[in-house]
Amino acid sequence: GQQVMQIPQYQHVQEGEDFTTYCNSSTTLSNIQWYKQRPGGHPVFLIQLVKSGEVKKQKRLTFQFGEAKKNSSLHITATQTTDVGTYFCAGRNNDYKLSFGAGTTVTVRA
Amino acid sequence: EPEVTQTPSHQVTQMGQEVILRCVPISNHLYFYWYRQILGQKVEFLVSFYNNEISEKSEIFDDQFSVERPDGSNFTLKIRSTKLEDSAMYFCASPVPSGELFFGEGSRLTVL
Repeated sequence: GQQVMQIPQYQHVQEGEDFTTYCNSSTTLSNIQWYKQRPGGHPVFLIQLVKSGEVKKQKRLTFQFGEAKKNSSLHITATQTTDVGTYFCAGRNNDYKLSFGAGTTVTVRA
Repeated sequence: EPEVTQTPSHQVTQMGQEVILRCVPISNHLYFYWYRQILGQKVEFLVSFYNNEISEKSEIFDDQFSVERPDGSNFTLKIRSTKLEDSAMYFCASPVPSGELFFGEGSRLTVL
């Protein structure tokens, strides 16, 4: 079955620094979504990427979808304490099911 | 913003007991999902439910699990005989036409 792998599992970042989390699928995806889960909270949708090579920005967050539609990345610039949480990618095949990666848990040192 | 409501927020039960978790998806939506998240782990797909029928289920969703629609807007996830390893957050999620999922705040199940 489809597997979505995400690295790193943990990211400890100094406030103000940049970091990137990566997502790889074992199969070609129809689209990929990113979610953020604050500690103790529920996943909240951030963005969906559909097109090969697509890049989308949300303020300090930049999302990319690979040309082969099998990988994606989330890059955060100038990390703030509000960025703390776990970031999940979720890939969708041609069926309607989303498969989540294991997530990257981000902690920020002030 | 669309709202998905889940109850209870926390359920503590003894091993072997039956548990019912409830969800009210986005109004008039026929399609929704149940996901499970063991503490500190990823969000795992359990089952998708469309128009009163299970459309897909994972290997986690074995015979001890069932999904029902007892009335028009309420959906339930029943675990017949809970095990220690069923302790987790259970999320209900509604998809919208654009494809994103709106998650409820989850029900934390603790099995003792």
